[in-house]
Amino acid sequence: RKEVEQDPGPFNVPEGATVAFNCTYSNSASQSFFWYRQDCRKEPKLLMSVYSSGNEDGRFTAQLNRASQYISLLIRDSKLSDSATYLCAVNTGNQFYFGTGTSLTVIP
Amino acid sequence: DVKVTQSSRYLVKRTGEKVFLECVQDMDHENMFWYRQDPGLGLRLIYFSYDVKMKEKGDIPEGYSVSREKKERFSLILESASTNQTSMYLCASSSITEQFFGPGTRLTVL
Repeated sequence: RKEVEQDPGPFNVPEGATVAFNCTYSNSASQSFFWYRQDCRKEPKLLMSVYSSGNEDGRFTAQLNRASQYISLLIRDSKLSDSATYLCAVNTGNQFYFGTGTSLTVIP
Repeated sequence: DVKVTQSSRYLVKRTGEKVFLECVQDMDHENMFWYRQDPGLGLRLIYFSYDVKMKEKGDIPEGYSVSREKKERFSLILESASTNQTSMYLCASSSITEQFFGPGTRLTVL
């Protein structure tokens, strides 16, 4: 079983739409959770950490559900510039485990 | 800002060549990682190191070795490059809570 499972998409949404991504993780001892953004042919860059209480950064909201072992990312009022691949990541011990990424294309 | 640098952005090598990929971080992190990323397979961990001269195998270590002689530097070595090692190689460095990536090396083995 994979450490982290993520729907690969692709998600194609119109500008202004709200879109949500989810990931599930298998190890209940996982300690930290993240969302990364990766543009085409670039490295992943940290978008935001995910806290149990949920956290928001502008149009982006991240949630963690430890009981069900999933994390989510909500993007409101999508912009063309949001088009990218979004990867969830889980930190367990010294290692980070990544989902395969969900591709998002925002259409004019 | 954390900075992770990799020695090359693009590299073309021939089958059987020995290949060195260098990674340097400037944040005094103890943990460093090498991944490869392929379409549909996501990031796969090759090796990681949590201290100087320490190394641990990741999920796909076959065909690779690593070296960590200094804290800031973590090298990935392909002893005899093969075409199935054509990939994007990403180095990362982490604190306790966050992981930061270098810009990646796109390696093509002909």
